[in-house]
Order: sequence, then structure tokens, then C-alpha cells
Amino acid sequence: GENVEQHPSTLSVQEGDSAVIKCTYSDSASNYFPWYKQELGKRPQLIIDIRSNVGEKKDQRIAVTLNKTAKHFSLHITETQPEDSAVYFCALRGGSQGNLIFGKGTKLSVKP
Amino acid sequence: NAGVTQTPKFQVLKTGQSMTLQCAQDMNHEYMSWYRQDPGMGLRLIHYSVGAGITDQGEVPNGYNVSRSTTEDFPLRLLSAAPSQTSVYFCASSYSRSLGYGYTFGSGTRLTVV
Repeated sequence: GENVEQHPSTLSVQEGDSAVIKCTYSDSASNYFPWYKQELGKRPQLIIDIRSNVGEKKDQRIAVTLNKTAKHFSLHITETQPEDSAVYFCALRGGSQGNLIFGKGTKLSVKP
Repeated sequence: NAGVTQTPKFQVLKTGQSMTLQCAQDMNHEYMSWYRQDPGMGLRLIHYSVGAGITDQGEVPNGYNVSRSTTEDFPLRLLSAAPSQTSVYFCASSYSRSLGYGYTFGSGTRLTVV
């Protein structure tokens, strides 16, 4: 079935630096790509999403880019803050049944 | 507006016991689903429903049953608990799977099977 590869699995940055997380996929029919943030012991929460007819979307310090030709999409966080520390999951709507399929997550640590 | 409500938050079961994890949403969402989250494995789909009376299997359905008798409720039943079912379970809902809306997650149930 459809698979989403997410890299890196862990990422440590200094406060104020940028962080980039990348996901690759194989199903060219995928058309919806959300990103979720999960703080320790909490539920995943949608932070940004992009649809296949858009190449980039920005919301304050976070942005998502989509390259449909290369089949990858990325999350960019600028001016990172300690409260950005969490696990981030990429996902896509894909597979034969169109459910959300999640990457395995990236643990982001922002050091003050 | 409570969103997606899951109960219980924590549960310890003995091997072979059965139980039901409850999930309810008050947003009139058409689509509901159950995921399990294990360390390093991300979120894996167990079962899902696209409307009342309709359910289907996800990636890891063995050992679990679901039903959707109303739009609001989507319980997950563990038939005979096994240690491999120790996990955190999340219920998620959305207006519609086909329109690509983001999911709203419940707060999760941490299940330990001993």
C-alpha cells in the first residue's frame, strides 16, 4: 500500500534557527497533505495542510511546500522557539481507500 | 462543543479480557476512524467509518471490532486482549474523507495489557 517516508526521525536545533522536515511518497494520486504536531502526552493537532493544486502555503512561522513531480513535501519552521519542541507527523490522503496515512514522526527539540 | 471525546483515558487489562473504547463527536462529522500509536511506528489505521452503518478495515484490524449505529458514536472493541495491543489509541473524525479535511483527534486512551 501507500507509504510515507519521513526524515529525519529526530532533529535538534538552537532557538531562533530554522527546522525542515521532509516526507516522500509514491502514489501520484495523493491530493491532500496535512502536518500534525503532537506534544508529549497530548493528541496530534493539525498545524497546516496543503492541497495538490498549491505549491506552497505559509502561516506565520510555519510553511509547507509540495513538489508533486518529485513526490515530496516539507515542513519549514522559522525562528524556532522552545514551545515548538514536539513530535511532528506528516500525512497524506492516499491508498485505495483514501484514508490519511501518517509518517513515523520527527521529534524536534529546540534548545534555548 | 466538546469535539471528540474518548473514554477511558487509561486502562489496564489482563490477557484475554475484552473491553470497549468509547469515542463520541458532536461536530456532525461523517467520517470517524481509530488509530493506534506505538513508539517509532507513527499512527496506524485500525478501522474507519464513512457514515452511520458503514465500517471498513484499515491497516491493522486484527483483534478489533467496530460499529457505527449513530453519526456521533464509534466504539472500538477489543475481543480478547493481547500484550501486542498495548498502545495508545486515538479516535479521529472529519467532515468527509473524500474532501480532504483535516482530522480532529480525541485525547487518546492509553491501554496496557498484562
